Amino acid sequence: EAGVTQFPSHSVIEKGQTVTLRCDPISGHDNLYWYRRVMGKEIKFLLHFVKESKQDESGMPNNRFLAERTGGTYSTLKVQPAELEDSGVYFCASSQQGDDKDTQYFGPGTRLTVL
Amino acid sequence: GEDVEQSLFLSVREGDSSVINCTYTDSSSTYLYWYKQEPGAGLQLLTYIFSNMDMKQDQRLTVLLNKKDKHLSLRIADTQTGDSAIYFCAETRRDSSYKLIFGSGTRLLVRP
Repeated sequence: EAGVTQFPSHSVIEKGQTVTLRCDPISGHDNLYWYRRVMGKEIKFLLHFVKESKQDESGMPNNRFLAERTGGTYSTLKVQPAELEDSGVYFCASSQQGDDKDTQYFGPGTRLTVL
Repeated sequence: GEDVEQSLFLSVREGDSSVINCTYTDSSSTYLYWYKQEPGAGLQLLTYIFSNMDMKQDQRLTVLLNKKDKHLSLRIADTQTGDSAIYFCAETRRDSSYKLIFGSGTRLLVRP
């Protein structure tokens, strides 16, 4: 069974540009999460989808970030316009609905560098 | 300040035991987790413990939870060079759905 995949693995853009990150969760997983790790600090929660609905977007830093999950399968996270402080590693995770401990399976991450 | 804290770095000799520590602040934690990140890879769930447990053992891994002190530890017995990685502790809370709250990670270096 394929794990969580993310694309691209690396992205280098200039300040002011737009970048779109993609996450494909494990097939059948209704829960999808985005997290990011900035500058070697802790990994911080961004948002949580249940199927196509945003369950919790309390971690989204500002309105330059837009996450979508049309059809409840893959998700995209767009940053527009990108700022220097957006540099970091963006992780996606998925889990099965009804799993009491909600075991989250993580993708390899997308390393974003904003110059 | 951080809700979950870890020391940044630990170096051990191959074959020794490693103990990675974590402290958390919120008493409403439900599950506590240890994740491992190897270079270029995603986060791999190593083990977890429910908040009403004190200890959990899984092969070379032993997790200890001290709820009174809000202290979590991961002991790796007979540490191998393949254990070199960043280890993150994380928690979920009763009032915060299922989002994981992570520490900043402890980099474990295993010397031959």
